[in-house]
Amino acid sequence: EAQVTQNPRYLITVTGKKLTVTCSQNMNHEYMSWYRQDPGLGLRQIYYSMNVEVTDKGDVPEGYKVSRKEKRNFPLILESPSPNQTSLYFCASSATLTSSYNEQFFGPGTRLTVL
Amino acid sequence: QKEVEQDPGPLSVPEGAIVSLNCTYSNSAFQYFMWYRQYSRKGPELLMYTYSSGNKEDGRFTAQVDKSSKYISLFIRDSQPSDSATYLCAMSAKTGGFKTIFGAGTRLFVKA
Repeated sequence: EAQVTQNPRYLITVTGKKLTVTCSQNMNHEYMSWYRQDPGLGLRQIYYSMNVEVTDKGDVPEGYKVSRKEKRNFPLILESPSPNQTSLYFCASSATLTSSYNEQFFGPGTRLTVL
Repeated sequence: QKEVEQDPGPLSVPEGAIVSLNCTYSNSAFQYFMWYRQYSRKGPELLMYTYSSGNKEDGRFTAQVDKSSKYISLFIRDSQPSDSATYLCAMSAKTGGFKTIFGAGTRLFVKA
């Protein structure tokens, strides 16, 4: 089954404790992205990757890191989480970003709470 | 001002009603217009997309784009309880590398 998986689905942590949210896709997609979703603000892009070893900042990159060492995986790293990073996080992938439109396939989401 | 504005609702309608969901935008470069549906505790899924102005119909769903007014709509006919979800509009343009900008989403409840 074609899908984007994320782990963990739920995470409660404390300020400053490094964490990683994994994302994996099995569709051989070039483009992957991380979003956070907050009430009233919609989906805001954190980082994206056009291909292996190519990553770039989205609209809200502060406090986050990413890496793309393999095509299928795109982990999101919070080196020192803070309460304002409490949010619902989505990983997404698409075949390419340079075609006419860009259908993105989303993972199930990771609900993160930072105390 | 946000690039894409969408009323968050919630919108509550009886089963069988016609639902109208709308977004306005400010960037005239947007050419591709999409609607994603997000069920509770799930990721968004693409429902429909439209290129430039005009209408597109898919079963009970119709997407409309009015570029002159910078206004897009999604109509749902004969709404069902299974249509209860959050609907997000999304847009992209070739300039800027087809980056997708999402609306905040409108939460819809269809009562049986």
